Amino acid sequence: DSGVTQTPKHLITATGQRVTLRCSPRSGDLSVYWYQQSLDQGLQFLIQYYNGEERAKGNILERFSAQQFPDLHSELNLSSLELGDSALYFCASSPRGAGDYGYTFGSGTRLTVV
Amino acid sequence: GNSVTQMEGPVTLSEEAFLTINCTYTATGYPSLFWYVQYPGEGLQLLLKATKADDKGSNKGFEATYRKETTSFHLEKGSVQVSDSAVYFCALPVGSQGNLIFGKGTKLSVKP
Repeated sequence: DSGVTQTPKHLITATGQRVTLRCSPRSGDLSVYWYQQSLDQGLQFLIQYYNGEERAKGNILERFSAQQFPDLHSELNLSSLELGDSALYFCASSPRGAGDYGYTFGSGTRLTVV
Repeated sequence: GNSVTQMEGPVTLSEEAFLTINCTYTATGYPSLFWYVQYPGEGLQLLLKATKADDKGSNKGFEATYRKETTSFHLEKGSVQVSDSAVYFCALPVGSQGNLIFGKGTKLSVKP
């Protein structure tokens, strides 16, 4: 157990639907990062939050949004889902920036859009 | 900006063989460098890191040396085991917030 908890582990939904992925960071970590992992694109950085505030954005689609709550857990919302959104979504956390510490990853949510 | 290039796999080795997975980077300054490992069905785990030039990171028999002359951070292990079968990712931070970018991953399969 890495200390980063992601729920649900698996999610199957239909095109056009909306889903919410949840992440609880490791105790004491203030930064949360979201990544999408697919076979063709590899690991793509989506977004980072630090202590409730958005700090960096990567290749995140406008249909996707995220937030970090006062208790530091984070949610990634994916809407108007398309087949191509099927992927593994990982959350990671770090004490501050990841520059010297690296991340601790959760075990991921596997999203299948049918 | 910072970038990382990792040798493509898959790599198939026999048990006790020597492993090298190449990783080269371009970066402003001398950022920390990381190797992560992803076992089947799991998230990524930090395998080792090096925070400055000439540092050697090591863990579980794996080693990587931060070489600024060749901008490389190759992963090595002297004798691989079946349990080392996994996907290995090289990574470094980008931007002021230090979020990591990852190589495309190298899948290693070790046969008994």
